[in-house]
Amino acid sequence: GAGVSQSPSNKVTEKGKDVELRCDPISGHTALYWYRQSLGQGLEFLIYFQGNSAPDKSGLPSDRFSAERTGGSVSTLTIQRTQQEDSAVYLCASIKGGGQETQYFGPGTRLLVL
Amino acid sequence: GENVEQHPSTLSVQEGDSAVIKCTYSDSASNYFPWYKQELGKGPQLIIDIRSNVGEKKDQRIAVTLNKTAKHFSLHITETQPEDSAVYFCAASPRDNYGQNFVFGPGTRLSVLP
Repeated sequence: GAGVSQSPSNKVTEKGKDVELRCDPISGHTALYWYRQSLGQGLEFLIYFQGNSAPDKSGLPSDRFSAERTGGSVSTLTIQRTQQEDSAVYLCASIKGGGQETQYFGPGTRLLVL
Repeated sequence: GENVEQHPSTLSVQEGDSAVIKCTYSDSASNYFPWYKQELGKGPQLIIDIRSNVGEKKDQRIAVTLNKTAKHFSLHITETQPEDSAVYFCAASPRDNYGQNFVFGPGTRLSVLP
């Protein structure tokens, strides 16, 4: 079946602009993660959605970052007033049950803020 | 909270040789340890995982060992092939920790030289 998809694959924007990144998880997966991966670095946790529970936003670096998950499926990560330090690859992952299970990652969105 | 360290950061081996990547974790409550492989331009993909009730797990050329007392676990790749070249991430999952269920190491860039 289809894996996790993310769009756009690449995004170039100017400093100060807002961007929206989209994640389509695997159908039926209840949990969804967003991570940020800076060049040559590891995965930085941003936010976690599990079913209808309140999301865990503890990893969001500032109030310019927000995320939604509509209908328990598609998720959108929004970055307002982008800064150059926001340049990174943003990865989305979904898990079937939400516990200690395999995370299925999308290919990521490469964001470049000029 | 959990902290995961990973060594080495880069590793070069000759084709056919073995490669070993080591990770340490800090939270004794962690009980699930997955390893992910990330190829250039793609999202990470699970290659093997181990739970704290076993000390070793093997899947063809890949094996993982876990030492709960010392709080470290290792990835072993035997008979390396050029297609094993990638960035490898270890992770630790603290038990009963809603949200940030996975803490990732910083990654190891493995190069298999033909």
